[in-house]
Amino acid sequence: GENVEQHPSTLSVQEGDSAVIKCTYSDSASNYFPWYKQELGKGPQLIIDIRSNVGEKKDQRIAVTLNKTAKHFSLHITETQPEDSAVYFCAATPNTGGFKTIFGAGTRLFVKA
Amino acid sequence: DADVTQTPRNRITKTGKRIMLECSQTKGHDRMYWYRQDPGLGLRLIYYSFDVKDINKGEISDGYSVSRQAQAKFSLSLESAIPNQTALYFCATSDGYGELFFGEGSRLTVL
Repeated sequence: GENVEQHPSTLSVQEGDSAVIKCTYSDSASNYFPWYKQELGKGPQLIIDIRSNVGEKKDQRIAVTLNKTAKHFSLHITETQPEDSAVYFCAATPNTGGFKTIFGAGTRLFVKA
Repeated sequence: DADVTQTPRNRITKTGKRIMLECSQTKGHDRMYWYRQDPGLGLRLIYYSFDVKDINKGEISDGYSVSRQAQAKFSLSLESAIPNQTALYFCATSDGYGELFFGEGSRLTVL
């Protein structure tokens, strides 16, 4: 089955700097790659996703890149702000039904003011 | 009000007790899920349901059972709780197009 590895487990950046979180997956059938942000005491919330027919997607300060050949995808946050501090999860699934969504272990991002 | 509501939000219980975590949603989605979150392990799927008559095991279903009482309600039961079931539990819904919508979580401690 699918296995998703996420690095780093903890990331600390200065406000205004960029943050990059990387994930690799094992199942070549995976074709949907969402990223979720979990704030303290809350449930995870989708912040951006990418499908396998797209190499890059951007939404304001957040971007995701996908390399299907190498089976890895990354989240890029530019001009980080203190409110970006949270736990981020990458995930991969061979379908959009959700029932085969496999999550990475999570990255705790600290943005220092 | 939240679209996906979980009760209780926090529960402390003893080994051997039966526990039920409840989830209700107002999103109108047919698909509902129960996930477990442990530090360093991400989110792991316990059970999922595509409609009231469809219940499926996820990757870590041992020791758990579920009931889909209605399209909007999906409950998770621990028949005889054990300490290694101490975790944060999340209910989620989806419309089948990708995004999962999570509740705010139920923190369970088994002593």
